[in-house]
Amino acid sequence: GESVGLHLPTLSVQEGDNSIINCAYSNSASDYFIWYKQESGKGPQFIIDIRSNMDKRQGQRVTVLLNKTVKHLSLQIAATQPGDSAVYFCAENGGDSSYKLIFGSGTRLLVRP
Amino acid sequence: DAGVIQSPRHEVTEMGQEVTLRCKPISGHDYLFWYRQTMMRGLELLIYFNNNVPIDDSGMPEDRFSAKMPNASFSTLKIQPSEPRDSAVYFCASRASGGAEEQYFGPGTRLTVT
Repeated sequence: GESVGLHLPTLSVQEGDNSIINCAYSNSASDYFIWYKQESGKGPQFIIDIRSNMDKRQGQRVTVLLNKTVKHLSLQIAATQPGDSAVYFCAENGGDSSYKLIFGSGTRLLVRP
Repeated sequence: DAGVIQSPRHEVTEMGQEVTLRCKPISGHDYLFWYRQTMMRGLELLIYFNNNVPIDDSGMPEDRFSAKMPNASFSTLKIQPSEPRDSAVYFCASRASGGAEEQYFGPGTRLTVT
């Protein structure tokens, strides 16, 4: 049968607006979460992380929110810029001691000038 | 620091040929991970090493794939024989034990098998 490619959800925002990218994680035992940014032709780049003993963490123009009750993670980007256009991945550690990260399927962010 | 270094950046080969991908982790990092990224399956962990020892190879697709880490500064991922379905971008990542858990990714090797 015909194969179906992975369909990335896409978020399109106006330059200067705030962006919110959402992620549902799978393992309630996960105690570490991380966001990566991947630009075309490059490897994933670390943006920000958060441990399960926190519900919010801020970086430069980025904020990560964690809701353990519904297993939801979000990345907020303030004053989105054209350079923020990329695919964003969330990842969780699964809560074991394996040092592995489990990646989500990603969200494509498009910034309109 | 130069970051994680991968070579080659692009590889085009014919079905049945052997392919070797190379990785140099960040100095001082004792964990090394090999990932494969495709549109169909996203980013998949193939295998990871700790102190040059393979810890989990459950993600390696089949016996055609093998990975080695002869020393702390070098790892290879080999596919023999290669098949068109192996076409993907292969990433190497490294991290240090303890403290921060983020993995640092290399630029990837884009493999095309015709």
